Amino acid sequence: KAGVTQTPRYLIKTRGQQVTLSCSPISGHRSVSWYQQTPGQGLQFLFEYFSETQRNKGNFPGRFSGRQFSNSRSEMNVSTLELGDSALYLCASRNDVGTDTQYFGPGTRLTVL
Amino acid sequence: DQQVKQNSPSLSVQEGRISILNCDYTNSMFDYFLWYKKYPAEGPTFLISISSIKDKNEDGRFTVFLNKSAKHLSLHIVPSQPGDSAVYFCAASAGNTPLVFGKGTRLSVIA
Repeated sequence: KAGVTQTPRYLIKTRGQQVTLSCSPISGHRSVSWYQQTPGQGLQFLFEYFSETQRNKGNFPGRFSGRQFSNSRSEMNVSTLELGDSALYLCASRNDVGTDTQYFGPGTRLTVL
Repeated sequence: DQQVKQNSPSLSVQEGRISILNCDYTNSMFDYFLWYKKYPAEGPTFLISISSIKDKNEDGRFTVFLNKSAKHLSLHIVPSQPGDSAVYFCAASAGNTPLVFGKGTRLSVIA
């Protein structure tokens, strides 16, 4: 099976712009989660989608949003970008909500100038 | 409030020796624990997991130990190899809740 794919891999934006990142989960996986990784902060949970519904949400401002499509692909959007949004954004998929193992994509490196 | 803590930011081990990475947690509701390995510019790769009903799980060179009373888990890598050099993240969840990650431990295996 193909793994989790994320596009684009690298992105450079300027403050105030918005950005959309895309994630395609492993075939058959219905749950997609998004994480932000910054130096020294580990992986911070953004949100989880399951069957097109947001099931969990982390402690991030409303500028961060996401959605999931009927084919389980997911997008996340960040509006009004700030310098502090520069990070590696990781997407992970699993078969079902619960204790299934999450499998991660390679991430999208976002740089905000 | 950090629910999952990896108190050692880095660890150096000689090739062939045992690497022991530690993780502590505070939430007694956590019932599933995982270890991930991460190379620079790549996503985390799943290594091994353990359910709270067990106290040990082995997979090849990797063994995870869980001490529920101490709220502590550890990952043992034997023997350590240079290719094991990476950042290791401990993660935990409670039923349907999202994974909570520690901040990682950078392992360097010296040839």
